[in-house]
Amino acid sequence: AQKVTQAQTEISVVEKEDVTLDCVYETRDTTYYLFWYKQPPSGELVFLIRRNSFDEQNEISGRYSWNFQKSTSSFNFTITASQVVDSAVYFCALSEPSLNDYKLSFGAGTTVTVRA
Amino acid sequence: GAGVSQSPSNKVTEKGKDVELRCDPISGHTALYWYRQSLGQGLEFLIYFQGNSAPDKSGLPSDRFSAERTGGSVSTLTIQRTQQEDSAVYLCASSPFPAAPDTQYFGPGTRLTVL
Repeated sequence: AQKVTQAQTEISVVEKEDVTLDCVYETRDTTYYLFWYKQPPSGELVFLIRRNSFDEQNEISGRYSWNFQKSTSSFNFTITASQVVDSAVYFCALSEPSLNDYKLSFGAGTTVTVRA
Repeated sequence: GAGVSQSPSNKVTEKGKDVELRCDPISGHTALYWYRQSLGQGLEFLIYFQGNSAPDKSGLPSDRFSAERTGGSVSTLTIQRTQQEDSAVYLCASSPFPAAPDTQYFGPGTRLTVL
């Protein structure tokens, strides 16, 4: 069963629009960790954020913000005032301590295209 | 400091040949992971190393795949008798200490094409 679901395959916006990427996860662990990674056209996965399951505070970093809702098992990501440089594939991922190795289970990714 | 490096960046091989992919993790990182990114399967876990041992090999797709790590540093992923379905980008990641979910830092990947 898919542990991380990113329902949006592709999103296309015009520069300066806001864009929200959905992520829904599934785990039996009470403690777990959620991540967002960005993969620009160059291909390298770039870490954006890590969130612990016991910390439900939302976080903002510049134009990026994350909304963690344990009740709905969601960890959504919003880019405010998008820019062309935000064009990339964005992956949500889950790490479960019960597996003892913290390997990442990735969603399928959402391709964001920001048009000038 | 230097990030995770992988070599070669691109590898084209013929079906049936063996290939070796190399990963140099960030210095001091004890945990090392291999993932594979392909069009049909997305990003999938292959194998995890803690030091030189591999306690989780559950993601290796067949016995044609093997990996080793030496000196708690460099890791090599070997694919024997390559098949066309092995074509993918192979990503390596390292993290400082696996007892906590430290962030995994990824290398640029090796793009493998099997003709």
